[in-house]
Amino acid sequence: NAGVTQTPKFQVLKTGQSMTLQCAQDMNHNSMYWYRQDPGMGLRLIYYSASEGTTDKGEVPNGYNVSRLNKREFSLRLESAAPSQTSVYFCASRRQGHSGANVLSANVLTFGAGSRLTVL
Amino acid sequence: AQKVTQAQTEISVVEKEDVTLDCVYETRDTTYYLFWYKQPPSGELVFLIRRNSFDEQNEISGRYSWNFQKSTSSFNFTITASQVVDSAVYFCALSEIYGGATNKLIFGTGTLLAVQP
Repeated sequence: NAGVTQTPKFQVLKTGQSMTLQCAQDMNHNSMYWYRQDPGMGLRLIYYSASEGTTDKGEVPNGYNVSRLNKREFSLRLESAAPSQTSVYFCASRRQGHSGANVLSANVLTFGAGSRLTVL
Repeated sequence: AQKVTQAQTEISVVEKEDVTLDCVYETRDTTYYLFWYKQPPSGELVFLIRRNSFDEQNEISGRYSWNFQKSTSSFNFTITASQVVDSAVYFCALSEIYGGATNKLIFGTGTLLAVQP
């Protein structure tokens, strides 16, 4: 099925360890996003990539790095994990545009299933 | 700056009751999109609806209806005859339309709806 695939689904890290969350989409979307979800905070944007080769900071970028490897893939890296980074992470992609045959789906974020990360 | 407020943190209803989830937004843009997403207990985020600021018509889809009022900056969501399967966290979100590829989706903090049998 077409969509957004995130790996891993669960991960436990010790403080100071590093890891990379992988995300891939097969919908030929231009833009990709990483959000984190914390209780009572909703979803907050960490980083986004408007198109292949570009990345920009969102609301809460500190402690993270990203790579837009190609149009399909957008990874999120924690270089030195901290307990404050315990969260559920969602990758999403979106097709930009306001016209065309698929106008109703334009600008709608499609999310991956989420990755639950615990930092001890 | 853009902001989305969902003042109701949790709502509990009994099955078959009607329930309205409130969403109030702030934006300086004259053109924008509003969205509702559902997050069931399984955790995935499911898109429900997108409205643009040009169109203030209310929308109905089965038991779901949405009331968009630009004058009060609100985009409320009503579930008629609620069912246990409606139990989820519901998020309202806002995005500019013509910001190009960099426009971002801003989410509210969500409303947890619990429908009791």
